[in-house]
This record gives sequence, structure tokens and C-alpha cells, in this order.
Amino acid sequence: RKEVEQDPGPFNVPEGATVAFNCTYSNSASQSFFWYRQDCRKEPKLLMSVYSSGNEDGRFTAQLNRASQYISLLIRDSKLSDSATYLCVVNFERDDKIIFGKGTRLHILP
Amino acid sequence: EAGVAQSPRYKIIEKRQSVAFWCNPISGHATLYWYQQILGQGPKLLIQFQNNGVVDDSQLPKDRFSAERLKGVDSTLKIQPAKLEDSAVYLCASSTADYPYNEQFFGPGTRLTVL
Repeated sequence: RKEVEQDPGPFNVPEGATVAFNCTYSNSASQSFFWYRQDCRKEPKLLMSVYSSGNEDGRFTAQLNRASQYISLLIRDSKLSDSATYLCVVNFERDDKIIFGKGTRLHILP
Repeated sequence: EAGVAQSPRYKIIEKRQSVAFWCNPISGHATLYWYQQILGQGPKLLIQFQNNGVVDDSQLPKDRFSAERLKGVDSTLKIQPAKLEDSAVYLCASSTADYPYNEQFFGPGTRLTVL
């Protein structure tokens, strides 16, 4: 099993819809998780951190399921400006290794 | 608060030439990372420093890549000699050392094209 896996997409979603994507990780000892957003030809920017069961920030909700070893990102009432690649990042506790997923591409359609 | 600074923003070289990138992290951030991001892929960690010590360089191609962070602040990444497959964006990031609250902040990256 790969250390961090994401569905590459693309997810093509109409504006106003709700979209969710998952990220699975291999190491059950992982303690911290992050979602980054990356626009085309730009650097990744932190969207949300997840330390316990989840986190919510406006239209964005991240949930952590330790038993099944995945984190999810839910975007409600999607906007055209949400179009980007969403990168899942897992911090593996044992060796303080940080692994990025390959990203999920999201296209919000007008 | 100033962000992570990188230079140059773009570089075009021919294969077998050498190139160096510079990064200045956010003030007070003990941890500095260099990533390579090839088009369509997630960032791949090349090297991680904590202060001026190397934490992880397991994915750094040491026959051609080198990096240093002599005074625990700025860092340089060098490629010598460059190959065609080194064409990528090189991202520098920094974070505090307060695991697990060590969110990374990225610089704008250096886009390298090797011809």
C-alpha cells in the first residue's frame, strides 16, 4: 500500500454542489494531517490542519477516520474559485517523515 | 510577516551545466525543506533540515544534488551536472519544529528547465 494515496480526479462539479474526496494513508501511527491547495503554476498553500477527529472552516470540512486510515475533505456550496489541486499531507510520527499525496484535481463548472 | 523567499524564480540551463537555488525561510522557523515537483505530481521531499542538521535526505540524488544550511537560516540547493529529467519546480518550505503542529509554508518555487 502506498504511504499516501489520493484519487487524482479530475472531479468536474457544477458550481454550488458539494464535493468530497478522500486520502488514505498507510501508517496508523500518523499524528498530523494537512490539506493544501495548489493553484496552477503556484506553490501549495495550507488549507486545513487536522489533529483530532476533524476540523471545519466555513465551507470546508476535514474529517479523520483513524480506524480506516483516511482523511476526507468536504467542500460545500462550491465556487468557481475552488478549482485547484488539493494535496493531502501526512506526518508520520515514528520518523517525522512528511509525505505528500499526488493531489486531486477539482474543476468547478459554471 | 514575510513569507519564504526563493530565487531565482526561473532558470533555463543546458544539460550537464550546474545550477543553484537559494531559499530564505520564515524568521524563527527551525525546519527547512526542499521539494521537487514534476508537472502533474505532488511535491517530493529532497531534503529536510532542522536548524543546520539534516533530518532526512533519503530521496536526494546525492551523486548530483547537494544542499546546505550552514548557519541554520538560509539554504542553497545545487545540481551538478543537470539532466533533462531534473526539469521541475523546486519548492522550499519552512515550519516550526513543534510536532505535530508543524504546518509548512512554501515559497513561490524555482521553475527549472533543462534543455
